[in-house]
Amino acid sequence: GDSVTQMEGPVTLSEEAFLTINCTYTATGYPSLFWYVQYPGEGLQLLLKATKADDKGSNKGFEATYRKETTSFHLEKGSVQVSDSAVYFCALPGGYNKLIFGAGTRLAVHP
Amino acid sequence: GAGVSQSPSNKVTEKGKDVELRCDPISGHTALYWYRQSLGQGLEFLIYFQGNSAPDKSGLPSDRFSAERTGGSVSTLTIQRTQQEDSAVYLCASSVLGPMGGVYGYTFGSGTRLTVV
Repeated sequence: GDSVTQMEGPVTLSEEAFLTINCTYTATGYPSLFWYVQYPGEGLQLLLKATKADDKGSNKGFEATYRKETTSFHLEKGSVQVSDSAVYFCALPGGYNKLIFGAGTRLAVHP
Repeated sequence: GAGVSQSPSNKVTEKGKDVELRCDPISGHTALYWYRQSLGQGLEFLIYFQGNSAPDKSGLPSDRFSAERTGGSVSTLTIQRTQQEDSAVYLCASSVLGPMGGVYGYTFGSGTRLTVV
């Protein structure tokens, strides 16, 4: 069945460092792809999405490009801040409008 | 309401007791989902409601888990005879179906942290 695989965390970075969180997927066809973020003590929020191959989703300085050749949707940010510390989830649609999530990657950014 | 509201935010219960978790979706959202987030693991889908019916219950882990939704609004997830492995954060999400609804319009609540001791 459809699935998402994320790099294991935690990822620990210093402020202003470059961030990459890898996400690869297995799916039939070309589904939309999503990144969700969960800040401490909060629910998940949609960070960005891409609805077709070669699309780039972006928000809050984060970007991810839908690569059908490599079935990947890696999340990147050029300069992270302490406030970016959170858990990041890659996701794709399953049946009945549900989302299939990766295991999540915890990011810790230190000053 | 303005967002998806879940209660309680934290629940500690003794092994073997029953618990009820509540989700109040955004007004007008016809679709409602329950997920479970266990320590160190991703989000595990439990059940999906469209209105008051549940066309997809495939994620419920055992017959100790059940959920209902009344009036196309509030949903309750019930866990009977709780076990320690039930300890997790239970997240609810809702969305409106249709253009830009469905998976595009998910809004999550803050979750209920359940601890079974």
